[in-house]
Amino acid sequence: DAGVTQSPTHLIKTRGQQVTLRCSPKSGHDTVSWYQQALGQGPQFIFQYYEEEERQRGNFPDRFSGHQFPNYSSELNVNALLLGDSALYLCASSRDLNTGELFFGEGSRLTVL
Amino acid sequence: GENVEQHPSTLSVQEGDSAVIKCTYSDSASNYFPWYKQELGKRPQLIIDIRSNVGEKKDQRIAVTLNKTAKHFSLHITETQPEDSAVYFCAAPLYNNNDMRFGAGTRLTVKP
Repeated sequence: DAGVTQSPTHLIKTRGQQVTLRCSPKSGHDTVSWYQQALGQGPQFIFQYYEEEERQRGNFPDRFSGHQFPNYSSELNVNALLLGDSALYLCASSRDLNTGELFFGEGSRLTVL
Repeated sequence: GENVEQHPSTLSVQEGDSAVIKCTYSDSASNYFPWYKQELGKRPQLIIDIRSNVGEKKDQRIAVTLNKTAKHFSLHITETQPEDSAVYFCAAPLYNNNDMRFGAGTRLTVKP
């Protein structure tokens, strides 16, 4: 079991550009949540996808969007990048919401110059 | 997350001492409370969790206590070891476990 995999691991963009981050959930998991973790901070909830739909959303602007595919993998898209978008983006998958346990990927570290 | 407060932000203990980290949450409907450990440059990993139907749970040197009335829960690490040094995050769901909100983290340093 490969666990949760994310790509790319690191990337550098400039202000105004767009970025797409990808996540494959742990085998058997159908729910994917995305988090933004700024340096020295806790993960901030962006949104969650289940059955290919955004089910819950945190306090992030519409520049942040996502998608979930039939195989449960997911993408996070960020448009019109700002310097403040520089962070580690974590994907977490889960199987049974009643269990609650989130399994995190290693993250994608985005630097916006 | 704005509904989960965690303290202290940093904690330094001598090897062998105990460490306690506390969190408060705002949503009285929350019923699942995990603790994650994040080592430098690595992913957060679940170390222990507790559900609202129990007040305490232990796993070797780690324990979590829950006070639903006061809406706070705590992580207790006994006989700390240098490898316990990491950042610890508490979390609580906001809406029916669909939205797990994290505290700001506690950086624990265990001095040998």
